[in-house]
Amino acid sequence: GAVVSQHPSWVICKSGTSVKIECRSLDFQATTMFWYRQFPKQSLMLMATSNEGSKATYEQGVEKDKFLINHASLTLSTLTVTSAHPEDSSFYICSARSGTGGGEQYFGPGTRLTVT
Amino acid sequence: QKEVEQDPGPLSVPEGAIVSLNCTYSNSAFQYFMWYRQYSRKGPELLMYTYSSGNKEDGRFTAQVDKSSKYISLFIRDSQPSDSATYLCAMSAGQAGTALIFGKGTTLSVSS
Repeated sequence: GAVVSQHPSWVICKSGTSVKIECRSLDFQATTMFWYRQFPKQSLMLMATSNEGSKATYEQGVEKDKFLINHASLTLSTLTVTSAHPEDSSFYICSARSGTGGGEQYFGPGTRLTVT
Repeated sequence: QKEVEQDPGPLSVPEGAIVSLNCTYSNSAFQYFMWYRQYSRKGPELLMYTYSSGNKEDGRFTAQVDKSSKYISLFIRDSQPSDSATYLCAMSAGQAGTALIFGKGTTLSVSS
């Protein structure tokens, strides 16, 4: 099956610093990547959709200046949490979708962000 | 009314039981239906993928879609403790770039 990786798997940072999370599709080209956020015992909340080479589309209520998304290639998307605060602590998961097929999305293993 | 409704459970069953997980939805444009399994602190893993109505079987798992009733199901036969996880249904209308709409997930616990 299709494999999506994320790096790092776990990061701790101090309040006010920025953190970059990478999402890679390892064995297919992802024309579209999605970034989700998940709080404990909650379902996934879509943050933004990014298509390779174009600006990301953010969901309502998600600050685009705080959560910078770059989808520079067909296998790599990055999420940068700028000026992180403790309330940004969460589990961030990316998913990737190929240009073919009807809708399967393959998820990365997630990144746990803790802001102290 | 939310687009996708899923009972969060928790659902507890003994090993070997047949498990039935369900979702209902309101958007008749949905054509692609998926079930994901998520273990704690892990990303969701795609279990089943179905287009339009019908059944699909893969090992111990069977997915059913009834578009006329806007109802989808996942059956797990001979459940195992390793099946203990949260199961998320997801669906989309299928256009390129369309995001999935997820249910809240059902937490399943299989006891040995």
